[in-house]
Amino acid sequence: TQLLEQSPQFLSIQEGENLTVYCNSSSVFSSLQWYRQEPGEGPVLLVTVVTGGEVKKLKRLTFQFGDARKDSSLHITAAQPGDTGLYLCAGDRTGANNLFFGTGTRLTVIP
Amino acid sequence: EAGVAQSPRYKIIEKRQSVAFWCNPISGHATLYWYQQILGQGPKLLIQFQNNGVVDDSQLPKDRFSAERLKGVDSTLKIQPAKLEDSAVYLCASSLSTGTGNTIYFGEGSWLTVV
Repeated sequence: TQLLEQSPQFLSIQEGENLTVYCNSSSVFSSLQWYRQEPGEGPVLLVTVVTGGEVKKLKRLTFQFGDARKDSSLHITAAQPGDTGLYLCAGDRTGANNLFFGTGTRLTVIP
Repeated sequence: EAGVAQSPRYKIIEKRQSVAFWCNPISGHATLYWYQQILGQGPKLLIQFQNNGVVDDSQLPKDRFSAERLKGVDSTLKIQPAKLEDSAVYLCASSLSTGTGNTIYFGEGSWLTVV
């Protein structure tokens, strides 16, 4: 069983559309991170959320950590082709920066 | 600042052969991780080091996988003997310390194909 379930698994949208990716678990996390991974490269950190209910914004990306620190969402406004990639959420359950990764959401933004 | 360096980038071996991957973390980073990423899945932690000590190796298949970080800097991950299901990208990563929220920096990965 996956500790972190992401949905949707695949998403293909037109440039300019909005989208939301969800990351859900039955476990509580000390912190939760979102990464983007491009083909042939390692994941690159986008944001870390630590406090339940926390909302962080990174340009057109909005990240939210659930009140109970079990789930998170990533919302992208006005998607651009440069947003294309694999989005991964990862939670630290032990407090030792020991990350469990989600199943991933592969986003394609069509020009 | 130099990133996490890994080698080799690509390796093809036959099943039952052995393979070793090398990682050089970012200078000054005490924590080093090895992750396995199978195609279409998120990375899975194999082992986490703090300096030269093991923090977590609960998901490392110890009958065939081994890892060491003898001097607390570079690390090697070895697979012997390899199985077909070991085909994956092996990602090395490092962070300043183990405290939650510390940014983890990943290398580009070592791609293993077992035939």
